[in-house]
Amino acid sequence: KQEVTQIPAALSVPEGENLVLNCSFTDSAIYNLQWFRQDPGKGLTSLLLIQSSQREQTSGRLNASLDKSSGRSTLYIAASQPGDSATYLCAVLNTGTASKLTFGTGTRLQVTL
Amino acid sequence: KAGVTQTPRYLIKTRGQQVTLSCSPISGHRSVSWYQQTPGQGLQFLFEYFSETQRNKGNFPGRFSGRQFSNSRSEMNVSTLELGDSALYLCASSAGGPTGELFFGEGSRLTVL
Repeated sequence: KQEVTQIPAALSVPEGENLVLNCSFTDSAIYNLQWFRQDPGKGLTSLLLIQSSQREQTSGRLNASLDKSSGRSTLYIAASQPGDSATYLCAVLNTGTASKLTFGTGTRLQVTL
Repeated sequence: KAGVTQTPRYLIKTRGQQVTLSCSPISGHRSVSWYQQTPGQGLQFLFEYFSETQRNKGNFPGRFSGRQFSNSRSEMNVSTLELGDSALYLCASSAGGPTGELFFGEGSRLTVL
């Protein structure tokens, strides 16, 4: 059974800092890994999708890496802004499970002025 | 291009009642999946439909059911509501391929009194 863990559970940083969020998973038989952002009371916004054959994906100030063999992914946020404050979730799609994502518990990020 | 639309956004029910939630996927997407999000359990997979067929199902009791129509719109129903069913119910759509990206709606917030 796939298990996804995110560390840290919460993080507070001053504006302008670069930061790294971690995601680990126990079963490396995945199709892809997706990072999401969730604002309070809202749905999920897809940030980056990394296919199992890829090592990293970039979008603006965000960079996500994937090491499938070790079961790890990181989300790097450069030059953080108060608007980045949200909960960040990673989710993996295992092979043979159609659209069934297994989610981590999330990292709650607060970027202070 | 319109995103995933979920209705209603908020609803309050009492124990024993039943509820139906609706999800309209992104145009052209044939896969719709449903997730339940609670503070204690996080995000958990309910079921997924593709071309009107249930393709995958999570570990929820039979009170939770769903269906998909020929236009890919989906509904989920929860019968005999319990207090523990209070949650944010999220719908996601994708093109349906095994490596596809999932896009989520804003969710339906259900409160059971």
